Amino acid sequence: DQQVKQNSPSLSVQEGRISILNCDYTNSMFDYFLWYKKYPAEGPTFLISISSIKDKNEDGRFTVFLNKSAKHLSLHIVPSQPGDSAVYFCASTFSGSARQLTFGSGTQLTVLP
Amino acid sequence: DAGVIQSPRHEVTEMGQEVTLRCKPISGHDYLFWYRQTMMRGLELLIYFNNNVPIDDSGMPEDRFSAKMPNASFSTLKIQPSEPRDSAVYFCASRRTSGGYEQYFGPGTRLTVT
Repeated sequence: DQQVKQNSPSLSVQEGRISILNCDYTNSMFDYFLWYKKYPAEGPTFLISISSIKDKNEDGRFTVFLNKSAKHLSLHIVPSQPGDSAVYFCASTFSGSARQLTFGSGTQLTVLP
Repeated sequence: DAGVIQSPRHEVTEMGQEVTLRCKPISGHDYLFWYRQTMMRGLELLIYFNNNVPIDDSGMPEDRFSAKMPNASFSTLKIQPSEPRDSAVYFCASRRTSGGYEQYFGPGTRLTVT
């Protein structure tokens, strides 16, 4: 039972354009959401997070949007750079789970120069 | 500030051998998590500790897997005996109770069991 789904295994974007990565969740108890970036042969690196009391959070070129009614979140990267090429994981958690993270399967982003 | 440290980075062993993976969490972090990443199952939580005490080991696949955290700065994940299907990348992560809920991951140990 996949509670966190990333339906696009891969995404290619031209340098300078916007990258939009999507994530859907099924557990309505999730109240905190995170995005991680992973390069080959490295561990996942925390990127940005959002609480369910917000619908948007920005950090530089990265913005996460949360649509609670649709149980959907997205990560926007503007402008995309070749160094952004990596696997992006979304993760979700709720207080009753002792804040364990449930990860999606990841999306491979390739930014073409 | 040092991140999460894992050793070894790569391990190749034969089926039936014992394997021990090691992790040093970030100083001051009171939660430690062990994950396994495979193509089939993605990133799955095996076990986690809070203040050196195992809290939830429901993700540990079999009795062949065991984990310990003898002190706040060291944890091990042991597989005995190892099997080819244990081949995966094993990550350790840590976080602190206060602040956000983000976990900080180590570089992982790539295990190959032949």
